[in-house]
Amino acid sequence: QQPVQSPQAVILREGEDAVINCSSSKALYSVHWYRQKHGEAPVFLMILLKGGEQKGHEKISASFNEKKQQSSLYLTASQLSYSGTYFCGTDGSSNTGKLIFGQGTTLQVKP
Amino acid sequence: EPEVTQTPSHQVTQMGQEVILRCVPISNHLYFYWYRQILGQKVEFLVSFYNNEISEKSEIFDDQFSVERPDGSNFTLKIRSTKLEDSAMYFCASAGQGGGYTFGSGTRLTVV
Repeated sequence: QQPVQSPQAVILREGEDAVINCSSSKALYSVHWYRQKHGEAPVFLMILLKGGEQKGHEKISASFNEKKQQSSLYLTASQLSYSGTYFCGTDGSSNTGKLIFGQGTTLQVKP
Repeated sequence: EPEVTQTPSHQVTQMGQEVILRCVPISNHLYFYWYRQILGQKVEFLVSFYNNEISEKSEIFDDQFSVERPDGSNFTLKIRSTKLEDSAMYFCASAGQGGGYTFGSGTRLTVV
């Protein structure tokens, strides 16, 4: 089942913060986050495993609450380069590494 | 940095024709995937491939679709008889054990 992302779209000014949420109705083993710029392939940002782990990548970090089956992506002091569509991917009980992606959250950072 | 390479970048085909989309995954990766993305929509899973066989496939991946790893490096997706609704961006991805995906730059398939 497809994870649900919120919000669907965010518009920010440079330097502002944003949070993107990803929820699943199924138990999760891991959550992946990707960013896709228009006309390009999705690019891997980070993977979070069971255990409430929090990870960081530049000024982008994420958390994973396995009990709530939720993950959140935090973008701090956003830059113009952060603009794009963010997808979470969840693997549920699959042991094939297959990911099911959310519908995406479009982030636009304005000067 | 290692890349996943896909060819062609754009293919236009007539309805009913066969197409083969090609991918060269990262050499030491073990897991291979095909996804598709209809313009502006979500990235949809088609098939996963491990140890030279399909490990999982979606409902979209019907008898018209097949995958092969013919020579240990290339990974191909064949659509036997294309339909208009097959028009999409097709992404190949590969992953190591427990790692994130590396996506190729995609093949834009247009069925006319």
